[in-house]
Amino acid sequence: DGGITQSPKYLFRKEGQNVTLSCEQNLNHDAMYWYRQDPGQGLRLIYYSQIVNDFQKGDIAEGYSVSREKKESFPLTVTSAQKNPTAFYLCASRDRGWKPQHFGDGTRLSIL
Amino acid sequence: AQKVTQAQTEISVVEKEDVTLDCVYETRDTTYYLFWYKQPPSGELVFLIRRNSFDEQNEISGRYSWNFQKSTSSFNFTITASQVVDSAVYFCALSEAGNDMRFGAGTRLTVKP
Repeated sequence: DGGITQSPKYLFRKEGQNVTLSCEQNLNHDAMYWYRQDPGQGLRLIYYSQIVNDFQKGDIAEGYSVSREKKESFPLTVTSAQKNPTAFYLCASRDRGWKPQHFGDGTRLSIL
Repeated sequence: AQKVTQAQTEISVVEKEDVTLDCVYETRDTTYYLFWYKQPPSGELVFLIRRNSFDEQNEISGRYSWNFQKSTSSFNFTITASQVVDSAVYFCALSEAGNDMRFGAGTRLTVKP
């Protein structure tokens, strides 16, 4: 089945540590996205990528970094500069045009 | 500026009641798309519907219906005869020119038996 796989499902970060969240898709979609969701809030866009080797900052990119070396993969690194990383992170992909985004199951990140 | 407003933070109904979730959007584009997603407790977002700015026909899918009114910039979602399985957070989203999407803050719907 085609879809988006996020791993791990739960992740714990120590102070001063960088952690990387994985997002893989086999839908052959060009565009991929990372969102952050805080309790009781909507989704805020962190980064997005429309093609390989290219990505743009979203509304809350500070403290995060991404790469897009392969069409299938769009990992998100939460750096130590992100002082409040505890949240639910969702990855999505989208085909060309005005198609709906498809979402992964999310990664819940917490601070130790 | 807030692009998508879902004024209802939480709604609680009893099973079999009808419920309407409001969505008001803001855009200067003439071409845009609107979406509704459902987020059950498991966390993933499930796509429900897409509507383009040129199609103001109401849509009905089983117990779900959507009312798109450009004059009031609204895209409301109604669940008829609600069921406990409808309990979730529902998000409205707007996609303008380009490839990004803006989500509302979501409405948490609780359907009690």
